[in-house]
Amino acid sequence: VQLVESGGGVVRPGGSLRLSCAASGFTFDDHGMSWVRQAPGKGLEWVSGINWQGGSTGYVDSVKGRFTISRDNARNSLYLQMNSLRAEDTALYFCTRHPYANGYYYYMDVWGKGTTVTVSS
Amino acid sequence: EIVLTQSPGTLSLSPGERATLSCRASQSVSTSYLAWYQQKPGQAPRLLIYGASNRATAIPDRFSGGGSGTDFTLTISRLEPEDFAVYYCQHYGSSVLTFGGGTKVEIK
Repeated sequence: VQLVESGGGVVRPGGSLRLSCAASGFTFDDHGMSWVRQAPGKGLEWVSGINWQGGSTGYVDSVKGRFTISRDNARNSLYLQMNSLRAEDTALYFCTRHPYANGYYYYMDVWGKGTTVTVSS
Repeated sequence: EIVLTQSPGTLSLSPGERATLSCRASQSVSTSYLAWYQQKPGQAPRLLIYGASNRATAIPDRFSGGGSGTDFTLTISRLEPEDFAVYYCQHYGSSVLTFGGGTKVEIK
């Protein structure tokens, strides 16, 4: 069971990035998924979640209207499109798995190692 | 949105001692939808406890969770060297998931 994130990097304020998460070792569409971030030296913050088919999504208030979560079950992949990036979005972004398919309203039982996003001019 | 407050911020203990970590919710957590995670430096968090008191797969029985309503605890019965880390509680069961600020368990 593995989650591998990619797509992080350095971007200027107002810019965009698309994070990807490749899942392996389990049946991807049996699980809801989420992105969780951790700013340098800080705690964990849930960012966004999605159910197995993509029909149910949720976001923390600070990213609503700027970030979009999606998934491609045929490619066993999760995505996070991040637009209008701000300095406060600088963080390590983790891809996480929930134990059930019907939503993201659960704990996270598998975590990736994360990909770093730095928003700086 | 439920706000989780963890205390203390830092716990200084010796190996072999008992650690008791607290997580207080701003309102009652239904059906004990509370989880605990351990994070070591440079690593991703690891699920320890879900449903307030259920150990995740392969978690040693020195870790136990308890509580209900607004007050929850994580207890490590006898600290091993590998247990010194940061611990987070998390609320779930709603459309917005929240984490506590974390408790660092450090070697005294």
